[in-house]
Amino acid sequence: QSALTQPASVSGSPGQSITISCTGTTNNIGIHNLVSWYIQRPGEGPKLIIYEADKRPSGVSSRFSGSKSGNTASLTISGLQTEDEGDYYCCSYGGTSPTYVFGTGTQVTVL
Amino acid sequence: QVQLVQSGAEVRMPGASVRVSCQASGYSFTNHDINWVRQAPGQGLEWMGWVRSNSGATGYAQKFRGRVTMTTNTSISTAYLELSGLRSDDTGVYYCARDPNLDAFDLWGQGTMVTVSS
Repeated sequence: QSALTQPASVSGSPGQSITISCTGTTNNIGIHNLVSWYIQRPGEGPKLIIYEADKRPSGVSSRFSGSKSGNTASLTISGLQTEDEGDYYCCSYGGTSPTYVFGTGTQVTVL
Repeated sequence: QVQLVQSGAEVRMPGASVRVSCQASGYSFTNHDINWVRQAPGQGLEWMGWVRSNSGATGYAQKFRGRVTMTTNTSISTAYLELSGLRSDDTGVYYCARDPNLDAFDLWGQGTMVTVSS
């Protein structure tokens, strides 16, 4: 499967809200809600922040929210903070085999 | 402490094989699948496959079929990734990650750097 499509970079000022899109196909995002989001800060491993499109794991800030419409999932970060800087990846269950596919990744910069 | 601890960095010649281990602690290893994800230098995440910890059943990304083998040893709560026919573009950090039956990866190992170079 081809990688899911994300914008290369998104930026915002502290306190603002930003949204990262993740576009797939009817073979992955379009047929279920099994989309997850991860943040990877420089020099660290990925950390789960959203699963099943809109659910937050325990301990993840409520400033992170997820949604899905058709073949596109979205991650919104509200009240942007400097600690939110990093690379964000979406991931979707592929539906066959089973398999998973990651997004291309989005670098978030807090201005 | 709930964690996944991976083996150390490896250097291999092109054409060789490498095995990376991932030892779980702090939870019941056989209750959850282990997935493997790699990241080439400066690049994004790439899903490689999964192994069912209790049965050893596997599912691999098409790109790696024929070159990858994922196994587990439940007696020591450890998962293994073996990749053969190494090429220079296999260089990168390899992560193991747990799926708590949510089709998401909630616990990650620290990563293992694999360098393929002549």
